[in-house]
Amino acid sequence: DAGVIQSPRHEVTEMGQEVTLRCKPISGHDYLFWYRQTMMRGLELLIYFNNNVPIDDSGMPEDRFSAKMPNASFSTLKIQPSEPRDSAVYFCASSLSAGRHEQYFGPGTRLTVT
Amino acid sequence: DAKTTQPPSMDCAEGRAANLPCNHSTISGNEYVYWYRQIHSQGPQYIIHGLKNNETNEMASLIITEDRKSSTLILPHATLRDTAVYYCIVRVTNAGKSTFGDGTTLTVKP
Repeated sequence: DAGVIQSPRHEVTEMGQEVTLRCKPISGHDYLFWYRQTMMRGLELLIYFNNNVPIDDSGMPEDRFSAKMPNASFSTLKIQPSEPRDSAVYFCASSLSAGRHEQYFGPGTRLTVT
Repeated sequence: DAKTTQPPSMDCAEGRAANLPCNHSTISGNEYVYWYRQIHSQGPQYIIHGLKNNETNEMASLIITEDRKSSTLILPHATLRDTAVYYCIVRVTNAGKSTFGDGTTLTVKP
């Protein structure tokens, strides 16, 4: 298996622009997680899905952030409008089920907002 | 979810065992202890988890104290490739909100 795939790997954008991050989970996994990592706050869970349905979005920082999972093989995290403080590495992870304990992380997207 | 306390950094000689401690004194009875590691610029990697009993897999061993208030991750024969940040997390399941914390930066030296 190719593992969790994220794109783009690097994104540089100007403040105010819309940013869309993409994730393809491991085939057959029914949980999908979005994390953000910064030096100041460490690795934070933003939102997670089970069977394409958002279960907990309490970690989403504000209304500028939104996430969707239109099908089992694709998810997006959108920031509109982007701000410099959104600069971070965003990770997507997937898990087979709540009964299994391993989360498999993607390589991350490094976002820089200038 | 219970919070954890880990030393910020540790060194280990290559080929020796690395013992990484974690305190989780407020852990609840239904919370598991998970360990992940993050090698520089990569996504975190699952290592091992446990509830009460000690656990071992191909990567590491996990020793949980009888009162479950602390645990130790053991890498039996550390290599240079084990240099990473190691995170100890406690939570009910693998889903749900949790914070990875600052972790322990393990540096394996030749």
